Amino acid sequence: QKEVEQDPGPLSVPEGAIVSLNCTYSNSAFQYFMWYRQYSRKGPELLMYTYSSGNKEDGRFTAQVDKSSKYISLFIRDSQPSDSATYLCAMSAGSNYQLIWGAGTKLIIKP
Amino acid sequence: EAGVAQSPRYKIIEKRQSVAFWCNPISGHATLYWYQQILGQGPKLLIQFQNNGVVDDSQLPKDRFSAERLKGVDSTLKIQPAKLEDSAVYLCASSLVGDYGTDTQYFGPGTRLTVL
Repeated sequence: QKEVEQDPGPLSVPEGAIVSLNCTYSNSAFQYFMWYRQYSRKGPELLMYTYSSGNKEDGRFTAQVDKSSKYISLFIRDSQPSDSATYLCAMSAGSNYQLIWGAGTKLIIKP
Repeated sequence: EAGVAQSPRYKIIEKRQSVAFWCNPISGHATLYWYQQILGQGPKLLIQFQNNGVVDDSQLPKDRFSAERLKGVDSTLKIQPAKLEDSAVYLCASSLVGDYGTDTQYFGPGTRLTVL
């Protein structure tokens, strides 16, 4: 079993829909949770960062962490075609512990 | 602010040949990472440098892979000899201080390697 599980998709939704992307993990020591967005032929870029449990909102994006369920989510409101990309979750147990990555979910927003 | 630069962008070689990738991190970033991203998978850390010293190379296949970061700035990653399973995108990233919890890693566009 992988430490971080992420549905590879693709997930195809119409423009304007609310998108929910998720990751589950097995290591209860993870404290830092990130979402990266990766466009085709580009490197990943940090989208959202959350420490421990709770919600964090930034514009159309909301990140949620439920440590009791070992489950993290990224919500995208009013999705746009420009949101079409692969979304990778990554997490770390602490400052000196490398990031553990999900495989990424490919998201397609249809105009 | 200029981003992380990598070259070449694409490389096709035959198995058993050697190949080298180059990375120039964001100015002032002390930490440099090399990742391997196989199609359909998340990035896998190969090596982490702090200035010009190696912090973590536990997942680097040292029988064929080598990396150096001279003068604490640019870095090169070499594969010799290449195997078919080395086909992947090699990503370079940099960050200010190397704290996995709070430091943002900035990625370059990657080098797509195909081994035939």
